[in-house]
Order: sequence, then structure tokens, then C-alpha cells
Amino acid sequence: GAVVSQHPSWVICKSGTSVKIECRSLDFQATTMFWYRQFPKQSLMLMATSNEGSKATYEQGVEKDKFLINHASLTLSTLTVTSAHPEDSSFYICSAGYGTFQETQYFGPGTRLLVL
Amino acid sequence: EDKVVQSPLSLVVHEGDTVTLNCSYEVTNFRSLLWYKQEKKAPTFLFMLTSSGIEKKSGRLSSILDKKELFSILNITATQTGDSAIYLCAGSTNAGKSTFGDGTTLTVKP
Repeated sequence: GAVVSQHPSWVICKSGTSVKIECRSLDFQATTMFWYRQFPKQSLMLMATSNEGSKATYEQGVEKDKFLINHASLTLSTLTVTSAHPEDSSFYICSAGYGTFQETQYFGPGTRLLVL
Repeated sequence: EDKVVQSPLSLVVHEGDTVTLNCSYEVTNFRSLLWYKQEKKAPTFLFMLTSSGIEKKSGRLSSILDKKELFSILNITATQTGDSAIYLCAGSTNAGKSTFGDGTTLTVKP
């Protein structure tokens, strides 16, 4: 149980295009999902907390107009990187909160984004 | 600002050795301490610790939390090459938000 999928796993796009990443909890409902970014040899950096039916909470320094998050259902959250630039190239990972306090997070497999 | 510090940052051992990974935390509204293993892709869940002094075990891995000292350790006995990975710890709040440490990169040589 507690499987989280992420799609796509790889994206290569041109600068200026927008990229949408989907995160799904497959066998449980997640009122809270989290979006992280990870640079090579660095730890996970929380970008935003996504709550079903309400606006996402962004961490300091993360542009909410750049990284649009939608959590339309209890099993799906999406992250859209708008007008992507090469510096947005990174590994994006989502997780879904599990448990009474949603404190155990199960991670999706991640999406590698390369912006040319 | 919440903070999680892991040590050592990297560790190289030989198969069969026992290792101890450290994690200290300063997290407001702390609820749980979590350990994850990250290989090539996203992290996989290992342990969630909520109470002090209660050891959690899974095979050769075990972990314990000290809420007084704000500290947790992850032990791996009889290490194998398949244990090579980055081990992440995270402090989680009542709201479910986790702050991650920088990780310990463990390399187990044959």
C-alpha cells in the first residue's frame, strides 16, 4: 500500500514553455501533498504544501506564479512550471501525506526536468 | 526556522561493519522524526519515530528517538553493498510539514 505515482518521469522542453507534472496517490487519499525540488548531491528542498480544495502554501523564496500547484482531488496534485528556463532544470519530487497527522510521507518516483 | 542536521555527511565502510547515523533537530510543533533511504530516485520510507526511547527495528536497521536531547540515530548492522544510499532524516510537525537534513551518504564496499 501507500503508492504514489508521478508523471512524467522525464521531461525535456524548450525555454519558455510550460511543463505540468502530476502526482497521484494510488491506493489512499491524501489531503496533503508536498512538492520538493532536489539539486544534484543536495537534500530535498520543500517548495510548497498542497492541500486538497484550498490554495497551496509556498515556502519562502518560491514564486507561486512560476510554480502553479493545483490539488483538485484527494488523489491528485499537479505542479506546473510556467515559462520554464534552464535554471528550472532539476529533479522534482512529490509526496503524499499518510497517517492520522499526514506526517509519514510517501514519495513519488520523481520527475527530471531539463530545460534547453 | 526549523533545522535538521545530520552527521556524518558521508561514510565509507566495508561489508559486515555496523554504522550509526546521527540526526539532531530543532523543529517547532514537532510531532515525528522520520528516516528515509534514497538511492537513485525518490526517497523510500524507513521509520517514523514519535515516542522517546522506543526502538524501531526492521531487519538489520533500527532507530531510536530522544526527544529530550532532540536527537535520533539510525543503526545498520552487518552492512551490505545494497545499503549504499543517502539516508535522510526529517522532522515533521503537527501539520505534517517535514524539514529534511542534508543526508548521510553511505558507501559500503565489498
